[in-house]
Parts: sequence; structure tokens; C-alpha cells
Amino acid sequence: EVQLVESGGGLVKPGGSLRLSCAVSGFPFTNAWMTWVRQAPGKGLEWVGRIKSKSRGETADFGAPVKGRFTISRDDAKNTVYLQMNSLKTEDTAFYYCTTGVLGRGGFDYWGQGTLVTVSS
Amino acid sequence: EIVMTQSPATLSVSPGERVTLSCWASQSISSNLAWYQQKPGQAPRLLIYAASTRATGVPARFSGSGSGTYFTLTISSLQSEDFAVYCCHQYNDWPDTFGGGTKVEIK
Repeated sequence: EVQLVESGGGLVKPGGSLRLSCAVSGFPFTNAWMTWVRQAPGKGLEWVGRIKSKSRGETADFGAPVKGRFTISRDDAKNTVYLQMNSLKTEDTAFYYCTTGVLGRGGFDYWGQGTLVTVSS
Repeated sequence: EIVMTQSPATLSVSPGERVTLSCWASQSISSNLAWYQQKPGQAPRLLIYAASTRATGVPARFSGSGSGTYFTLTISSLQSEDFAVYCCHQYNDWPDTFGGGTKVEIK
């Protein structure tokens, strides 16, 4: 059974930092491209960023709202992907999901349960 | 970036009815579109990818069609467990973008 388990969410003040983790099991993590998607309470889904596999250079891409503030890394030995969030803003408040899919075709088959990040003073 | 627009925002439907949801892309995305179902407090669930291919385990009452800029998701006979929010997702162009969702509620 494929499982993605996020952790690390919580309450942080504007300008602060937080690191989310996503532990993956039951899926060939080494070749997976891992994506973070967020959803503000009551709102739609927003693509945050993605990291490619090591064989593709572990390149990370980000959406405009978070570019320059967020980074993504991965530890293939631990089957874990990380989202480092710096200079947080109130508009970053959302549920953050890690997700992935079958390589070579679109759509995100597997999702974590989400972790809530609240940015508030 | 490509803007995905869904209509209507909310649809009131009776169990057993056929429902069709629409999704428009601001420019052509070929067939690189997925549909998700999301229930309150849960992560999205992949229903359809490549515009018309059902994901593993998805009931046959769900079907997708379209290409280019217009896509539809049809539920042939709505079951009680189908009341949820449905969202489209384009993965043709970077960055991926999602539609705002259509909520299917009980009439």
C-alpha cells in the first residue's frame, strides 16, 4: 500500500520559517518526481513546487507566489521529501499536501493527508 | 500560466441523476488533463487522467472527455458517495494549474 505522510505543520508568525516533511512508503521513491500542492481553507488547489528524481538532477521548480522563499529537497535513503518555507506570509496559510503519480503520465495518484500551516501574528 | 475555469461553482443534483461538469483551459492543453474528487477533510482523489482514462479503482459511472480547451466529467448516475467537490488539473504546461472546483451537493 502506498502511503505519504506529511508532518511539520503548525502556527508560525509572519516572516518565520517552517520545514515540512513527507515520508513515502510502498512506492518506488527513487524515481518519483515529488510535488507539493497547497489549499487555503475553503479554496482551490494550488501547485507549490516539485522536485525531480536524482537521475534527472533533483531539479526543483516553484510557482511564482513562493519562488525565492521556498525550497524542496529529498533524501532518497529515507524516502522523504522536504519543503522548506522561509519568509512566510499570511497568504501562505493552507493545508500542504505532498503528492506524486505514475512516471511518464499525468495526474497525481497518491496524496498525503495534508498538514496545516497557519501564518499569523 | 494557463488558467483553468470550472462551471458551475455549485450544482444541486438528486441521487440517480446524470451530471456533467465543465472545465475550460485558457489555451490548448491537448489531452493533458486530470480530474479529482475531494470530500471534506480529505485529500483529492484522482479520477481521470489524460482527459478520459479512469484511474485504478474508479467506478465506470465516471467518464471524462474533451481535448484542447474544453473538457467534461460526467457521472452517469449519481450515488450518495459522489457528493463532493470536483477539480480539474492541467499538466500540459509548467506550472501545473487547477480549476477552482465544482461542488456537487444534494438537491
